Amino acid sequence: DTGVSQDPRHKITKRGQNVTFRCDPISEHNRLYWYRQTLGQGPEFLTYFQNEAQLEKSRLLSDRFSAERPKGSFSTLEIQRTEQGDSAMYLCASSPLADTQYFGPGTRLTVL
Amino acid sequence: QQQVKQSPQSLIVQKGGIPIINCAYENTAFDYFPWYQQFPGKGPALLIAIRPDVSEKKEGRFTISFNKSAKQFSLHIMDSQPGDSATYFCAASTGSSNTGKLIFGQGTTLQVKP
Repeated sequence: DTGVSQDPRHKITKRGQNVTFRCDPISEHNRLYWYRQTLGQGPEFLTYFQNEAQLEKSRLLSDRFSAERPKGSFSTLEIQRTEQGDSAMYLCASSPLADTQYFGPGTRLTVL
Repeated sequence: QQQVKQSPQSLIVQKGGIPIINCAYENTAFDYFPWYQQFPGKGPALLIAIRPDVSEKKEGRFTISFNKSAKQFSLHIMDSQPGDSATYFCAASTGSSNTGKLIFGQGTTLQVKP
C-alpha cells in the first residue's frame, strides 16, 4: 500500500500524559499537513510542512503541541500534558506540488 | 471563524435518487474546491475537485456545480447507491500558491436507503 499511513490508529491515555503520533506520507510528496477532527465536525488545520520546514501553524496549536518532520520524510505530532479536550481524530495528509491532499486513516486519541 | 458553510447537515434519499449538498464560501481568494467522502473510522477520501474557471465538472456519478458570482458550489450524486452512505465534506483552499491548507465545511451525513 503506497498511501499515507499513521501510527498508532488508536491511543488511550490519561490526562497529563504525553503522546506522540507518527505519519508516513506518500513517497516524494513534499507537502505534509496535520488536521484535527472532532466528532460531527470537519477537519481543522493544525500545521503544514514543506519538506522539513514547518511553514504554518494554526492558532489551534497550543504550546503543548509540537510537530516535526526531520529530513522531510515522516512527521511526528507530540501533545504534552494531554487534556480531555485533546480527544479527537488526528489526521495527516500529504500532497505533491499541486493542491490534491491525500489523507491517512487517522489516529484516534482518547484522553481519560 | 467559519469560512465554508455546508448544508444540509443530514440527508436521506432512496436508492437511485440524486442527493445534492451545498456549500458557500466567503474568501474570494479561494481557488480550489474539493469534495471528500468519509466513512466511520476512516480518513477522508478525495472524490472530485473543481477550480473557479469552470462551472461544472463530472467524474463518474459525481458532479460539482460551481457559481463563482454567488460564491457557492454543490455536489450532486447521480443514481445514488446504499454504498454511498457516508459523510461528505466540502473544502476550499488558496491552492498551491500558498500553503494549500484546506478549510472544511461541517459535513453532511448521507443515508441512501435500499
